[in-house]
Amino acid sequence: AQSVAQPEDQVNVAEGNPLTVKCTYSVSGNPYLFWYVQYPNRGLQFLLKYITGDNLVKGSYGFEAEFNKSQTSFHLKKPSALVSDSALYFCAVRDNNAGNMLTFGGGTRLMVKP
Amino acid sequence: DGGITQSPKYLFRKEGQNVTLSCEQNLNHDAMYWYRQDPGQGLRLIYYSQIVNDFQKGDIAEGYSVSREKKESFPLTVTSAQKNPTAFYLCASRLGQGGSYEQYFGPGTRLTVT
Repeated sequence: AQSVAQPEDQVNVAEGNPLTVKCTYSVSGNPYLFWYVQYPNRGLQFLLKYITGDNLVKGSYGFEAEFNKSQTSFHLKKPSALVSDSALYFCAVRDNNAGNMLTFGGGTRLMVKP
Repeated sequence: DGGITQSPKYLFRKEGQNVTLSCEQNLNHDAMYWYRQDPGQGLRLIYYSQIVNDFQKGDIAEGYSVSREKKESFPLTVTSAQKNPTAFYLCASRLGQGGSYEQYFGPGTRLTVT
């Protein structure tokens, strides 16, 4: 069965510094990977996805993610964090065997301090 | 959140009462999903539907029921059999065959049962 791990419950970063939110996955077959962001009391917003192609994927709001097949990782990155980036971030992987379901990680809270 | 509406945003019910959460989408998406989110936890799949008049149980379907009579609507009923119904409920949709695999989320309904 597929799974996603987000090893950090919270990541703290100073505004203007680069940020990384970690995600590792386990899936049979080719991985289809996603990042979502959730602001308080809101739904999830799609940030970016990796299906195939370049290992560096660019998404919304200046975020990007690096797919690393050998390390089974899909870390979310941003060169310069903003206070407004503070939110809950979820990594997800598509279940290749069951109706395009997504399995979500437990989420990582990103705190960007001025 | 655009294109998927959930109502109401906040819902309060007494224990023992059934309650129905609304989810409507105008994206012409084929597939729709219901998730439950508890504090500090990721999303757990309750039910999903890939086509009108058909739906499947997710990981935590006990105590819930759904219907999919129209493509644009996928209401979720939280029954009195659900042992711990207080949670944040998220509805999502996906384009379907030939489309991308990402899901798009509504703004959520926070249900409190006392």
